[in-house]
Amino acid sequence: AQKITQTQPGMFVQEKEAVTLDCTYDTSDQSYGLFWYKQPSSGEMIFLIYQGSYDEQNATEGRYSLNFQKARKSANLVISASQLGDSAMYFCASTINAGNMLTFGGGTRLMVKP
Amino acid sequence: GAVVSQHPSRVICKSGTSVKIECRSLDFQATTMFWYRQFPKQSLMLMATSNEGSKATYEQGVEKDKFLINHASLTLSTLTVTSAHPEDSSFYICSARVHGVVLFQETQYFGPGTRLLVL
Repeated sequence: AQKITQTQPGMFVQEKEAVTLDCTYDTSDQSYGLFWYKQPSSGEMIFLIYQGSYDEQNATEGRYSLNFQKARKSANLVISASQLGDSAMYFCASTINAGNMLTFGGGTRLMVKP
Repeated sequence: GAVVSQHPSRVICKSGTSVKIECRSLDFQATTMFWYRQFPKQSLMLMATSNEGSKATYEQGVEKDKFLINHASLTLSTLTVTSAHPEDSSFYICSARVHGVVLFQETQYFGPGTRLLVL
């Protein structure tokens, strides 16, 4: 079974600064996907970024980038130039080839200070 | 990204009644939809996988007679909480998978969720 670990239950960052949210995963599969979702207080889960296990380059989507270190089994999310609207829960999740079911980490609450 | 709607967004009901929650993929066909449950300040817990035209696959510990899932079309899945009790109060959220060739690459897009309160 997969396990996703997010060791930071809460993080503060100053507006306009960059922040890194940690995520480690534990799988024996060779083929898997790594996802990050944002959940604001409204509850909706917003897809941010995807990294495939075979992708050699780190994924980037606007201000979001994924620092993928396969050997260390980590997939940290980097948010550059933080904005007040970035304050939310952030979940790391992964899939394996067999079923495409997402396994979620416990989440990190990010709070952006003005 | 793909759009998934969920209705109702919030429901309050009396204990013993049944509540139906709809999940629709608005701009794509979803052969597979997923239902999650989330308690306050916790992560999402997968309840079941809903496949169009076939029976849902439930996760261990989820009562299939209590949480009825119907995936009648490629754009609609419903979750019915039968004989609801206060402990069923939670945030229920669905997702739909955009069908692709490689399973693990497929992104799940989530609905806005339904807050259920059972009195």
